[in-house]
Amino acid sequence: DTEVTQTPKHLVMGMTNKKSLKCEQHMGHRAMYWYKQKAKKPPELMFVYSYEKLSINESVPSRFSPECPNSSLLNLHLHALQPEDSALYLCASSQDRFQRGVPNTGELFFGEGSRLTVL
Amino acid sequence: DAKTTQPPSMDCAEGRAANLPCNHSTISGNEYVYWYRQIHSQGPQYIIHGLKNNETNEMASLIITEDRKSSTLILPHATLRDTAVYYCIVINTGRRALTFGSGTRLQVQP
Repeated sequence: DTEVTQTPKHLVMGMTNKKSLKCEQHMGHRAMYWYKQKAKKPPELMFVYSYEKLSINESVPSRFSPECPNSSLLNLHLHALQPEDSALYLCASSQDRFQRGVPNTGELFFGEGSRLTVL
Repeated sequence: DAKTTQPPSMDCAEGRAANLPCNHSTISGNEYVYWYRQIHSQGPQYIIHGLKNNETNEMASLIITEDRKSSTLILPHATLRDTAVYYCIVINTGRRALTFGSGTRLQVQP
């Protein structure tokens, strides 16, 4: 299984709503990532988790709250978002750079993304 | 991580080779060159990577110049399904998180 599964594929929410994006992988990867992509722009890194601990936060506003409950799951909790937060949110996973025992190419596997619209 | 420069767009005829250039003149010795592509409305997909030797896999070939300041991704027989944005990323071995530049939008023409 070489898939990263993201749900939901589409989400529409109001500025006062609380919602969550979910990401799941079963490749044994211990690094997981959230990226944000606006239309016609490249993906921008938001968060990195390594062995279920947050290792990189690219100065993301606190209305985005990541969570990594176990090695297979990554969530992004959304609260009090603004219309400008509308974007495609991409999850990715990879072997952590400290993982041993398997070929470690550094390749990131991306999901199809969750397209978020904030009204 | 070293900055990369790619042309914003390229066209290629179906069945012909597509050669996508990338400049990375500030690359350092422990940095790899990675290529990803993103087909419309999908997540980015890994293509190939290399350090200093040329590399080939089932998708593409990667040619890195001897001074490592530039590289070329070659899709030997482009198809319409290869229409995508292609990203060249330089990254050191200690870091996994990718920083995407603007990429090259490749349009394969029938």
